[in-house]
Amino acid sequence: EAQVTQNPRYLITVTGKKLTVTCSQNMNHEYMSWYRQDPGLGLRQIYYSMNVEVTDKGDVPEGYKVSRKEKRNFPLILESPSPNQTSLYFCASSSRGWSNQPQHFGDGTRLSIL
Amino acid sequence: DAKTTQPPSMDCAEGRAANLPCNHSTISGNEYVYWYRQIHSQGPQYIIHGLKNNETNEMASLIITEDRKSSTLILPHATLRDTAVYYCIVRVDAGSGYSTLTFGKGTMLLVSP
Repeated sequence: EAQVTQNPRYLITVTGKKLTVTCSQNMNHEYMSWYRQDPGLGLRQIYYSMNVEVTDKGDVPEGYKVSRKEKRNFPLILESPSPNQTSLYFCASSSRGWSNQPQHFGDGTRLSIL
Repeated sequence: DAKTTQPPSMDCAEGRAANLPCNHSTISGNEYVYWYRQIHSQGPQYIIHGLKNNETNEMASLIITEDRKSSTLILPHATLRDTAVYYCIVRVDAGSGYSTLTFGKGTMLLVSP
């Protein structure tokens, strides 16, 4: 089954403790991206990747890092999490030909930073 | 960017057609209209997209006006499981082969028994 898998689904942690949210897709998609969703602000893009070893900042990249060492994986790294990064996070992927290809989203990761 | 305007909420009776409107009066000629939906805190789900012509798939139909300034998503026989926030999005081309999906506030569709 074609899917985007995020782990963990839920995480409660404390300020400053490094964490990684993994994202994996099995559709051989070139494009992957991370979004965060907050009440009243909608979905905002954090980082995206057009292919292996190619990443770029989205609208709200501060406090986050990403890497794209393999095509299928696109982890989101919070080196020193802070409470304002408490949010619902989504990973998405899409095949080449971005403009007319839909994005496939994972089920989300709910992070709480205390 | 072509912005979209959607009503904040709509109601629909189960079994009836749900018609969700979207205005995108500043759309450019090469921009697609996409519809996604999000069922309570789940990942957004792709529904359908189109450029000029009307489109239909197993989930829905998309009607785009001739001037492309508005569109309507039609769920032909709405069920309770179609209760969700529906987003109408015009694909923004960032110019480097990558396009951003910019989600607005969407329309909250409530399907009732």
